[in-house]
This record gives sequence, structure tokens and C-alpha cells, in this order.
Amino acid sequence: NAGVTQNPKFQVLKTGQSMTLQCAQDMNHNSMYWYRQDPGMGLRLIYYSASEGTTDKGEVPNGYNVSRLNKREFSLRLESAAPSQTSVYFCASVQAMGNTEAFFGQGTRLTVV
Amino acid sequence: GENVEQHPSTLSVQEGDSAVIKCTYSDSASNYFPWYKQELGKRPQLIIDIRSNVGEKKDQRIAVTLNKTAKHFSLHITETQPEDSAVYFCAAKYSTLTFGKGTMLLVSP
Repeated sequence: NAGVTQNPKFQVLKTGQSMTLQCAQDMNHNSMYWYRQDPGMGLRLIYYSASEGTTDKGEVPNGYNVSRLNKREFSLRLESAAPSQTSVYFCASVQAMGNTEAFFGQGTRLTVV
Repeated sequence: GENVEQHPSTLSVQEGDSAVIKCTYSDSASNYFPWYKQELGKRPQLIIDIRSNVGEKKDQRIAVTLNKTAKHFSLHITETQPEDSAVYFCAAKYSTLTFGKGTMLLVSP
């Protein structure tokens, strides 16, 4: 099992460009999350998907969109990147919305210049 | 929504000392409290968790305590080792997982 896989690992964008961050899990988990991590700010929830076919906003959704393509895949899209979106992005999956461990991907380091 | 406060933001100890990290949460409905360790450049990984029906849980050198009345929980690491150096995050969950801002623990030999 690969667990949670993110692509790409590193990306540099120019302001205004768009891109999609990919996330896939092979653990048959129902719930998936996107977080961003900034120095001194911890992990902040951008969007989540409690189950296939549903998505909801988290704490910091502005400037992002998501797609739960199927049970395995949950993508995050930046339509018009801004320097404030420079961050490390983590995808995570959980078996269900109950009290179980969240497994994280290896992260995507995004720089917007 | 849930708000999780974590203290201290940095903690330096000597090898063999104990380390304690404290968190408070705001939503009394939260019922799951995991702790994650993140080494430099790596992904967060679960080290221990506690559910609301338990007051304390221990796993070798690490332990977590939970006080639901006061809405705070703590991580205790005993006999610290240099490899314990990392950033530690607490989190609280009812419907979604909300993280504290993290504690950078440095264990000096």
C-alpha cells in the first residue's frame, strides 16, 4: 500500500497561473482533506470531503476549489495563484468521519512568484 | 468552529528530561484528540490519540491526559532523546480535525 500520494512534490507558479494538486489514497478511506501549512500557523483546513460526492469548505477556502473525482482521488485547484498561496499543502485521508487516524501525503511545496 | 490553542510554541530540554505540551480547545462536542509528530521536511504522523471517554493513555515514553471539564489535554514525553526533536501538533475533532499551531521541541544531547 502506498497510503496517500500527492503530486507534484514541488511547484513554482507565476502570479495568475492555475494548477491542480493531485491526491490519491489506496486505503479505501471515505473522508479526505486538504490542509495548508505555513510557518507558525499550524495546519489549516482548506476543504474536505466527508464521502464520495460531497465537499465542504474548511477554515481557509478562498482562492481554492476541489473535486472529489472518486473514492480514491481528491484534487485541489488554484484558479489564479497569488503569492499568499505560497505554502506547503498536505492531503490527508480518514477511514470515516469518526474518531480514527488521519494519514497524510508527503506534501506539495508550492511557491507563487 | 473549533479553536485549538497550543503552548509553548518552542521547548528546549536536555536529553533525559521530560517535556510537556499543553492544548486547550473550544468546542465541547469535540471527542477525539490526536497528537502528531512532524520531522523536518516530512509529513505529520500520529504518535498517540485519546478519546473523550478516557482520561489518560500511555504508550512507552509518551502519555496524553485529557480534562474534558476544563477542555484541555496534554502530551507528556519522558526520558527525552535527540530523536524526539520535531514539531508536535495537537488536534481536536468533532466533525473535522482542527490543529494547534505546533510546538517545536529541541532535545539537546
